[in-house]
Amino acid sequence: GDSVTQMEGPVTLSEEAFLTINCTYTATGYPSLFWYVQYPGEGLQLLLKATKADDKGSNKGFEATYRKETTSFHLEKGSVQVSDSAVYFCALSPGGYNKLIFGAGTRLAVHP
Amino acid sequence: DAGVTQSPTHLIKTRGQQVTLRCSPKSGHDTVSWYQQALGQGPQFIFQYYEEEERQRGNFPDRFSGHQFPNYSSELNVNALLLGDSALYLCASSLDRGAFPNEQFFGPGTRLTVL
Repeated sequence: GDSVTQMEGPVTLSEEAFLTINCTYTATGYPSLFWYVQYPGEGLQLLLKATKADDKGSNKGFEATYRKETTSFHLEKGSVQVSDSAVYFCALSPGGYNKLIFGAGTRLAVHP
Repeated sequence: DAGVTQSPTHLIKTRGQQVTLRCSPKSGHDTVSWYQQALGQGPQFIFQYYEEEERQRGNFPDRFSGHQFPNYSSELNVNALLLGDSALYLCASSLDRGAFPNEQFFGPGTRLTVL
């Protein structure tokens, strides 16, 4: 069945460091791909999305490119801030009625 | 504009009991999905309701059931609770005829603890 695998955390970085969180997926057809973020004590928020191959989603300095050839959707940010500390979830929607299939999440801790 | 709201925030039950969780979707949304998030894991899709009918279901037993009301709010019911049902239950709402893929807005969740 469809699934999402993302790198295990926690990821610990210093402020202004470069961030990469790897995400790969298995799916039949052409899913849409998402990154969600969960800040401490808050609900899941959509960070960015991409709906077809080679699409680049971007928001708040974060970017991810839909790579069909490598079935990947890695999240990147050039310079992280302490306020980026959160749990990041990669997810796919197989299409149809857009249920979401999530990865296990990656906790990011950014230190001053 | 209120977002997705869920009640209660926390709940403690014992094995074998039944529980009902409630969700009010974001204003203007007509579709509600429920997810279970065990500690340290990603959310798992339970089911989705649209037009008061269960439209899609994940790999959860029949002990998990739901309902959607004419005002689009929804309930999740779990019967014969097991220790393994302890989790954060998330409700997400979306607009069925919104731009594809329909963005889902999540509520803060209900933390269920089964003793």
